[in-house]
Amino acid sequence: AQRVTQPEKLLSVFKGAPVELKCNYSYSGSPELFWYVQYSRQRLQLLLRHISRESIKGFTADLNKGETSFHLKKPFAQEEDSAMYYCALRGNQGGKLIFGQGTELSVKP
Amino acid sequence: EPEVTQTPSHQVTQMGQEVILRCVPISNHLYFYWYRQILGQKVEFLVSFYNNEISEKSEIFDDQFSVERPDGSNFTLKIRSTKLEDSAMYFCASSEAVFNEQYFGPGTRLTVT
Repeated sequence: AQRVTQPEKLLSVFKGAPVELKCNYSYSGSPELFWYVQYSRQRLQLLLRHISRESIKGFTADLNKGETSFHLKKPFAQEEDSAMYYCALRGNQGGKLIFGQGTELSVKP
Repeated sequence: EPEVTQTPSHQVTQMGQEVILRCVPISNHLYFYWYRQILGQKVEFLVSFYNNEISEKSEIFDDQFSVERPDGSNFTLKIRSTKLEDSAMYFCASSEAVFNEQYFGPGTRLTVT
């Protein structure tokens, strides 16, 4: 079965603290993994995809095939990082995205 | 920067009525998608569309749903006879190619009463 699990509905941290948003997946094959972000009253937008291996807005995510995880990390959270974060998977046929439940990140001053 | 647009932003309809949700994908994109998100739940794939036909659909996308690209710019989702459980946020997305980034619209909130 194809599934993405984000175990935390809400993650609350103070500004400057490290952040890790967890994502685990289930897929029989080699999926492509993504993190999408939705800021308040804005549309879903791509934050990271695992194949590009880049850091966006200080966030990084490493695909761990052994643990089937794609956790999102940032060493020092900023207030403007407060948003909903969705982990998503795409199969090796391309096309549809399978999303996790989302984690709301709240960064307090 | 070009964006996917969706209209209306909010639609209220009575159970049993037909609704059409409209999307204008980014102009050079060839792949189009509809997703929905019931309040408090995950974003779920409904259907993908390429070359004027459905390329994949989920179990949710039953005979009550249809999609169309009527005029080369709009991409519509029709629900023939709405049910209370169709109340959700509906997102349209488009991409240049099947493995490219999907760009999402702002969504249409559908409320069925």
